[in-house]
Parts: sequence; structure tokens; C-alpha cells
Amino acid sequence: AQSVAQPEDQVNVAEGNPLTVKCTYSVSGNPYLFWYVQYPNRGLQFLLKYITGDNLVKGSYGFEAEFNKSQTSFHLKKPSALVSDSALYFCAVRPPSGGYNKLIFGAGTRLAVHP
Amino acid sequence: SAVISQKPSRDICQRGTSLTIQCQVDSQVTMMFWYRQQPGQSLTLIATANQGSEATYESGFVIDKFPISRPNLTFSTLTVSNMSPEDSSIYLCSVGGLAPRGSYEQYFGPGTRLTVT
Repeated sequence: AQSVAQPEDQVNVAEGNPLTVKCTYSVSGNPYLFWYVQYPNRGLQFLLKYITGDNLVKGSYGFEAEFNKSQTSFHLKKPSALVSDSALYFCAVRPPSGGYNKLIFGAGTRLAVHP
Repeated sequence: SAVISQKPSRDICQRGTSLTIQCQVDSQVTMMFWYRQQPGQSLTLIATANQGSEATYESGFVIDKFPISRPNLTFSTLTVSNMSPEDSSIYLCSVGGLAPRGSYEQYFGPGTRLTVT
């Protein structure tokens, strides 16, 4: 079955430190991968995507993610965390044969950045 | 991207009643979708709203419970019918297929927080 796993329910980071939010996927073929962020009482905001090309992709608010095909991972990273980065982060995958409607979301990881 | 609005932003409803949620986009879009986010959980696709034809529902979701309309390329509604407390969720509208061609990401509205008592 096609799935996305975010193994950590919560990640705690001190402000100024680097952060990583993990995501692995189980999809046949070459998927398209996405990261979204959800702030309290708001909808999801698109952060970045990997479609093809360079494995390291850069997105909004200084976030980046690294696609690793051999490890089927797409971890979200940021060199220096801000308190304002505290939010709920979702990894999503579009299977190659699914069409636009087939976005499969992970369970989400809550990021807490402490001053 | 696109500016997406939803009405209402939240509501508290009694069981057995129905609620219609509206989604408005500030530009014409090819694809519109409805998702459900149950408390403390991830997002699940309910259906794809097709302009001028019946919506395409995902496994576990049926038209009688979640009728969807999409009369044009900027507007859609989702009705949650005969509600029960299990329908308490955040319902999100999203759009996809935006320019440039090949932009596969979806953009989401702010969501409608529904509580059924």
C-alpha cells in the first residue's frame, strides 16, 4: 500500500539550532513529494516540492528538503530555527500514476522551537 | 498560488442536521478538492469536485453523505449531511493544476472547523 510516514510526533529544537523533520514514503515508481505547514487555526501552506532534478530543494521561509531515493526519504531541514517556525508539518506524496487528486499525507510532526 | 476563502470558518451544529461549506477561489482553477482533518489526525481526501459533472469520491466517502457542487471554475460547496459527532472535523478546500503547467502542488483554504453536538 502507498503510504507516508513521519516517525516523530513532535520535534523540539532550541532557537538558532538546525532542525530536521523526517519523512519516508512507500510508493512505487518516482513520486512527487511535498511539505506543508499548518499554523494554529489556519489552513495548510505549501512549503516546497520535489518533482525531478537536484535532490536538494529550497522553499519558503528558509526551509529546504533533501530527496534520497535509495532511502525513500524526503527530510525537511532548516539551518537555524526560529520560534515562529513552531507549527504542524505535513509531508505528502503524489504517486506517479495517481493524478492531481492523489495526495497522500503523513500523520504530521509538531515542531516546537524554544527560545 | 491562489487566494482561497471558505465560509463558514467554524460552526457548531446539532446532530441530524446538515451544513453546507462554501469555497471561493480568486481565479479560475482546473482542480478543486475537499479534505477532512479529524481531530489530531492527518488529512484525508473526500472527493474531487468536477466542474459541470458529479464529484469523484474516494473510498469510504459517498455522495449521499457528502454532496458536492461545482457550478463554475471558481466555486464549490461541500454539504455534510445528517451529521453525527463523528463528523466533527476541519474541512478543507484545495485547488490544483495552477500555472505554470506542471505545478503539481495543491493550495489550501483556511478550513472550516465543524463541531457536532
